[in-house]
Amino acid sequence: GENVEQHPSTLSVQEGDSAVIKCTYSDSASNYFPWYKQELGKGPQLIIDIRSNVGEKKDQRIAVTLNKTAKHFSLHITETQPEDSAVYFCAASKTGNQFYFGTGTSLTVIP
Amino acid sequence: GAVVSQHPSWVICKSGTSVKIECRSLDFQATTMFWYRQFPKQSLMLMATSNEGSKATYEQGVEKDKFLINHASLTLSTLTVTSAHPEDSSFYICSARVTGLAGLRSYNEQFFGPGTRLTVL
Repeated sequence: GENVEQHPSTLSVQEGDSAVIKCTYSDSASNYFPWYKQELGKGPQLIIDIRSNVGEKKDQRIAVTLNKTAKHFSLHITETQPEDSAVYFCAASKTGNQFYFGTGTSLTVIP
Repeated sequence: GAVVSQHPSWVICKSGTSVKIECRSLDFQATTMFWYRQFPKQSLMLMATSNEGSKATYEQGVEKDKFLINHASLTLSTLTVTSAHPEDSSFYICSARVTGLAGLRSYNEQFFGPGTRLTVL
């Protein structure tokens, strides 16, 4: 089955700096890679996703890059704000199949 | 669109009682819903896949007789924790899968509910 690893487990950045979270996956057949943001006591919210036919996707301050050859993908948050503080999860899946989640990254943005 | 609700948002029960958690897709139909369990500061652990009109598929190590799943309609799945014990205390999260075609591209996305905090005394 698929194995998704996520690093770092915790990340602290100063407000305005960038944050990068990286994930690797093992199954080369995986073709969909979403990122979720989870605030304390709430369910995960999809913030951005990328499919295997695309190398990069950007949505305002958030971007995701995918390297299929190396089987890794990354979340980039620029100009971080205190409200970006949360736990972020990456996931990998094949079309129609279950999602495999990373172990999460707790991001703290220091004002 | 793609809103998933859960009820209740939190519940406290006595050991030995059963608790039912509902998961609803509010503005779309979901043939497949997933139930996850999450311990503090840990990732989501898939418990089971719930398919409308058929039996749920449980992950290895999850007791199907303890965690009863019913997916009787395209918008509702329920998880019943039977004879709950303190070790069942956790954050239970459901998700609904949305699949389809956008032009020539197929998609497969999951939208999560807000979670249910279960505390068993």
